[in-house]
Amino acid sequence: GNSVTQMEGPVTLSEEAFLTINCTYTATGYPSLFWYVQYPGEGLQLLLKATKADDKGSNKGFEATYRKETTSFHLEKGSVQVSDSAVYFCALSYDSNYQLIWGAGTKLIIKP
Amino acid sequence: DGGITQSPKYLFRKEGQNVTLSCEQNLNHDAMYWYRQDPGQGLRLIYYSQIVNDFQKGDIAEGYSVSREKKESFPLTVTSAQKNPTAFYLCASSGTGGAYEQYFGPGTRLTVT
Repeated sequence: GNSVTQMEGPVTLSEEAFLTINCTYTATGYPSLFWYVQYPGEGLQLLLKATKADDKGSNKGFEATYRKETTSFHLEKGSVQVSDSAVYFCALSYDSNYQLIWGAGTKLIIKP
Repeated sequence: DGGITQSPKYLFRKEGQNVTLSCEQNLNHDAMYWYRQDPGQGLRLIYYSQIVNDFQKGDIAEGYSVSREKKESFPLTVTSAQKNPTAFYLCASSGTGGAYEQYFGPGTRLTVT
């Protein structure tokens, strides 16, 4: 069946460090892929998406490239800030009934 | 501004009482969803609805009920049959075309004592 696997957290980095959060998926067909961010006590916000192989989604300095050959959609940012501290969720679309399949989430902690 | 509203932000109830959580969207989306999130955990799907007057159980529907009488509204009732109702509840909506990305409300934190 379809599934999403994210790297376990928490991930702790110093400010201005390079960020990578790994996400791999298992899916039939050609799903769309998403990254969401959740700040403490809030709902989830769509951070970026990619709808086909080799697409790069980007937003607020974050990027992720849809790699079909490695079934991956890793989230990257060149220089993180304390304000990036949050939980990040990877997800894929489930085309038969509009559902999303969710990863477990990765908590990111940025220290000043 | 288009978006999803959930009310209230915090809700407190005594054990044995039913409680209804509100979710309203003005994004003209056909599909709506309810998720439960426990501390430090991911999302678990409770119910979803693809169209008015129709809804389906998600992974953890026991002890919950929903209705979808209007396109804009998808209230969730947490019944006394739900054994561990204390959690953070998130409502989302999506279109039924394109990539199906979901848009979320701010959540309701329910505490039952």
